[in-house]
Amino acid sequence: QQQVKQSPQSLIVQKGGISIINCAYENTAFDYFPWYQQFPGKGPALLIAIRPDVSEKKEGRFTISFNKSAKQFSLHIMDSQPGDSATYFCAASMGGYQKVTFGTGTKLQVIP
Amino acid sequence: KAGVTQTPRYLIKTRGQQVTLSCSPISGHRSVSWYQQTPGQGLQFLFEYFSETQRNKGNFPGRFSGRQFSNSRSEMNVSTLELGDSALYLCASFDSSNTGELFFGEGSRLTVL
Repeated sequence: QQQVKQSPQSLIVQKGGISIINCAYENTAFDYFPWYQQFPGKGPALLIAIRPDVSEKKEGRFTISFNKSAKQFSLHIMDSQPGDSATYFCAASMGGYQKVTFGTGTKLQVIP
Repeated sequence: KAGVTQTPRYLIKTRGQQVTLSCSPISGHRSVSWYQQTPGQGLQFLFEYFSETQRNKGNFPGRFSGRQFSNSRSEMNVSTLELGDSALYLCASFDSSNTGELFFGEGSRLTVL
C-alpha cells in the first residue's frame, strides 16, 4: 500500500515560472517530510525538509508548505531555472531516517 | 569526505542467476539502507542495517537479502533473478545523530534478460 501519493508525474514549466509538486500521506505517525532531488545518473540528494510543527519552510527559491490537518505537503520552486530540471521525490518517515517512504517522483522540465 | 560508493555501477544478468551488490557508506556512518528504484514506482524500501543488524525490512520476497559488515560496508543479494528485478538499486547511509538526511550513492543499474 502506497503511503505517500505524489502528483503530477511530470511537469513542464517555463523559465522564471513557479513549479508546484504536491504530496499526500496517510500515516499520521510520520514526523519528518523531506524532498529529494535527483539528476540523471545520480542518486537522490536532500533538497529541503520540514517537520509537522511548522506550516512552511523556505530555503532560497524552494519552499515547503505543510498542511497537517489535510495530511498534505507541497514543494514550490520559485523563479524556476533550466538547472532545476530533475526528478523530485517527496518522502515521509517516523523518527527521521528510519524506513523512509518515498512518493513516485515528479519529472520536472524547465524550458528556456 | 568521500561519498557513498556502490559497485558495480552497471550489470547484466539472465533470469535465474543471482547477483550481489556492494555499498560503502560515508566514513563514520553506521547505518545503511537499500532502495529499489523503478519508473513509476519511485523508491521502494528494501532494508536497513545498523551495526550489522537488520532493523527494518520492506515488502520484498525472500529472494532479496542483505547484510552489513563490521566496517559498516553492506551487501545486498538477489537470488533467482526475474525480469521484474531490473531496476536501479540505491544505497543510502546516514548518521544516526543527524536530523534524518539520507546520503545516496549513484546506484547499481541491474538489467535482467
